[in-house]
Amino acid sequence: QKEVEQNSGPLSVPEGAIASLNCTYSDRGSQSFFWYRQYSGKSPELIMFIYSNGDKEDGRFTAQLNKASQYVSLLIRDSQPSDSATYLCAVNAPYNTDKLIFGTGTRLQVFP
Amino acid sequence: NAGVTQTPKFRILKIGQSMTLQCAQDMNHNYMYWYRQDPGMGLKLIYYSVGAGITDKGEVPNGYNVSRSTTEDFPLRLELAAPSQTSVYFCASSPRGAGGNTIYFGEGSWLTVV
Repeated sequence: QKEVEQNSGPLSVPEGAIASLNCTYSDRGSQSFFWYRQYSGKSPELIMFIYSNGDKEDGRFTAQLNKASQYVSLLIRDSQPSDSATYLCAVNAPYNTDKLIFGTGTRLQVFP
Repeated sequence: NAGVTQTPKFRILKIGQSMTLQCAQDMNHNYMYWYRQDPGMGLKLIYYSVGAGITDKGEVPNGYNVSRSTTEDFPLRLELAAPSQTSVYFCASSPRGAGGNTIYFGEGSWLTVV
């Protein structure tokens, strides 16, 4: 079992819709969760982080964490073509905040 | 406002050659990281450092070496390059551990081994 799993996509949504990106992790020792966005040919940039169960909202983005199910998701409301990118889920290495473990990413395509 | 600077941006190596990827940060961050990203894949940690003089292996350290003589610099050495090392390499830094903090990435170094 991979430590961090994501559906590679592509996930295609129309402009204005809600995009839902999902991530599961294997070890309950991971306590910090991050979503990075990566445009083609560019470096990753942090969108959001979440540490506690529940929802965390920042503008059009909402991160959701369910530690019991070992599941973290990212919702993008009012999706725009400029949101088209690969979204990487990352979690801290179990019981170790020095390192992040990344998933393989989900490619999102928002079409007009 | 440099942040994390990587050089070179592009490089072609022949099998068996060696080279060093340079990474420098001007944010006085203690933590620095080297990741590689193969096409369509996530980032894999090669080596990391929690401060000058301290380095540790990540998930995929074989074929690489690092040193951290100063807070600012964290070079990655490839010895005896192999085609499997063809990848994009990202250097990153953070003020504290990446698992509890934002990490700042450089722009990447594209390496091809032929």
